[in-house]
Amino acid sequence: DTAVSQTPKYLVTQMGNDKSIKCEQNLGHDTMYWYKQDSKKFLKIMFSYNNKELIINETVPNRFSPKSPDKAHLNLHINSLELGDSAVYFCASSQLTGPLEETQYFGPGTRLLVL
Amino acid sequence: QKEVEQDPGPLSVPEGAIVSLNCTYSNSAFQYFMWYRQYSRKGPELLMYTYSSGNKEDGRFTAQVDKSSKYISLFIRDSQPSDSATYLCAMSSGGSNYKLTFGKGTLLTVNP
Repeated sequence: DTAVSQTPKYLVTQMGNDKSIKCEQNLGHDTMYWYKQDSKKFLKIMFSYNNKELIINETVPNRFSPKSPDKAHLNLHINSLELGDSAVYFCASSQLTGPLEETQYFGPGTRLLVL
Repeated sequence: QKEVEQDPGPLSVPEGAIVSLNCTYSNSAFQYFMWYRQYSRKGPELLMYTYSSGNKEDGRFTAQVDKSSKYISLFIRDSQPSDSATYLCAMSSGGSNYKLTFGKGTLLTVNP
């Protein structure tokens, strides 16, 4: 059973399009995250939701909008895609009230290529 | 100065070698320190977790934290080809700040 899953795994699209990436975790965690990993492998936090409430919102263009319908899901919608949005997007989850509250579990990533 | 600095390598060693990976940081509020391993085209997976200063050992892996020097290390003994991956250090200040700050990762290749 996959703990943190993302769909789709690959996404190739044209500039200007709108796309969504979905994430689901079956670990019972209360916090979920979106990270962006660029071509140089640098992993940077974008957003975090705790119990469906936004708690981290880094400097990210308004074109990126996260949505958490429930604790187990965190989706990322991107409007008007640009070439610079090409990257691997990772979803992660953690349990902030547990003994290893800082431990985050990552999904397999969604490879986005904007042409 | 970046909050977390990590030499990206690449680092290439023969099988059986001892590997040393390091990160330095500037934020003295960091008190939770982690090492993640990321295989090619996969998500990062937690390898070691340490709170505050000290050493932690898990099999062939040892994590060290020296908060006075703002320096953390990961040692891999008897390295295996299956250890070939990118190793990312990560840290956070905890409390109400849930954010993990990652290093850029070090690409390690262990040659058979």
